[in-house]
Amino acid sequence: DVKVTQSSRYLVKRTGEKVFLECVQDMDHENMFWYRQDPGLGLRLIYFSYDVKMKEKGDIPEGYSVSREKKERFSLILESASTNQTSMYLCATQGDSGGSYNEQFFGPGTRLTVL
Amino acid sequence: DAKTTQPTSMDCAEGRAANLPCNHSTISGNEYVYWYRQIHSQGPQYIIHGLKNNETNEMASLIITEDRKSSTLILPHATLRDTAVYYCIAGGASNYKLTFGKGTLLTVNP
Repeated sequence: DVKVTQSSRYLVKRTGEKVFLECVQDMDHENMFWYRQDPGLGLRLIYFSYDVKMKEKGDIPEGYSVSREKKERFSLILESASTNQTSMYLCATQGDSGGSYNEQFFGPGTRLTVL
Repeated sequence: DAKTTQPTSMDCAEGRAANLPCNHSTISGNEYVYWYRQIHSQGPQYIIHGLKNNETNEMASLIITEDRKSSTLILPHATLRDTAVYYCIAGGASNYKLTFGKGTLLTVNP
């Protein structure tokens, strides 16, 4: 079974703090994603990575950065947390079979509260 | 990606078939229809996808109309554990960028 783990289920931080959310997968998947989920807005893609050190912006990258130094690990960084970044953050991974669809596997999520 | 429209919520009796509709009238010829679901407090889970032929797997069946403007996800014998938000998404064949809408909250009642 694919395992996607996220560093914390719940996290509370203060405004202005630098926040690191980590995602680790054990399936050697090329693609990794960070989403946030808010009531009434569904899931929105923040960033994704299709290879080590490669990244692309999603729909809402402002206020976030990412790091992928190793294939199995994808980090989401909030440089200076703000209250509007209070949300559920979901990591996902996906294998790349070159043209055909592979499902995305999601982690359990991290509920971040910024005070 | 084409926009999809789903009902906000639906109910189903346990043991009966759950039929979840999705409209995607602007879908293009090379776009697939994907279904995911999200059980409360968990990440989304892939269910099934299709292009124009009907598809079936161990979880569900997907029926796509001939004009491809709508589809129906069928859970043949719904259980209480199928209570979840179901997302219908239209996207390319190797679509890595899924646009999740608000989905349909399916409640399976005993």
